[in-house]
Amino acid sequence: NAGVTQTPKFQVLKTGQSMTLQCAQDMNHNSMYWYRQDPGMGLRLIYYSASEGTTDKGEVPNGYNVSRLNKREFSLRLESAAPSQTSVYFCASISGSYEQYFGPGTRLTVT
Amino acid sequence: AQSVTQLGSHVSVSEGALVLLRCNYSSSVPPYLFWYVQYPNQGLQLLLKYTSAATLVKGINGFEAEFKKSETSFHLTKPSAHMSDAAEYFCAVTYAGNNRKLIWGLGTSLAVNP
Repeated sequence: NAGVTQTPKFQVLKTGQSMTLQCAQDMNHNSMYWYRQDPGMGLRLIYYSASEGTTDKGEVPNGYNVSRLNKREFSLRLESAAPSQTSVYFCASISGSYEQYFGPGTRLTVT
Repeated sequence: AQSVTQLGSHVSVSEGALVLLRCNYSSSVPPYLFWYVQYPNQGLQLLLKYTSAATLVKGINGFEAEFKKSETSFHLTKPSAHMSDAAEYFCAVTYAGNNRKLIWGLGTSLAVNP
C-alpha cells in the first residue's frame, strides 16, 4: 500500500516549457486534490476532482490544467511555465472520514 | 465564509516545555477540524481530527487538541516538547457538503530549543 505517489520529485523548467506532474493513489478514494505551497502562504488549492470524470477549479487555477485519468490518477499540467509557478506541488486524496493523505511533493523551479 | 486563523507564524519552546499552537476557525455549520504536521522536505501528515465526537481529541506523538465551540477554537497542545517535534503545523477545517475541500490556516513553524 503506497498511499499517494507523485512524480517527479524535482524539476527545473525554463520559462515557456510545459510539463505534467503525475499523481496516483491506491486507497480507492473518490476525491483528489492539487495544491501548491509557497513560503508564508500555506497550501492553496489549484484544482480538485470530487470523483472520477469531474474536475473543478480551486483558488489558483490560472496557468494549470488537470486530468482525472481514472479513479487512481490525477495529473496536473503546466502548458507554458512561468517563474511565478516556482513552488512545491502536493497531490492529496481524501477518505470517507475527511482525512487527506498527501504525496511527498514535487519541487518545481522555473527559470 | 469559512476560514482558519493560526495565531503565531513562529513558535519557539524549550525541550520539555509545554507546546501550545493556536487555531481559531469560523464556520456557520458544524465543522470538521484537523491538525497536520509537515517535517522538512516532506508531505503533510495527519496529527489528529475532530469530527463531532469527543471534544478532546488525542493524536499521534503525544499531541492533543480540544474543540471549544464557544470560543471557535481548536488549539493543539503537547505537555512536553521533544526535539523531534520541530516542524510546520497546519490547522484545517471543512464541513459536510463542501466537496470535501479543506480550508487551511497559514501554518505555524515550531522550533524546539535544547
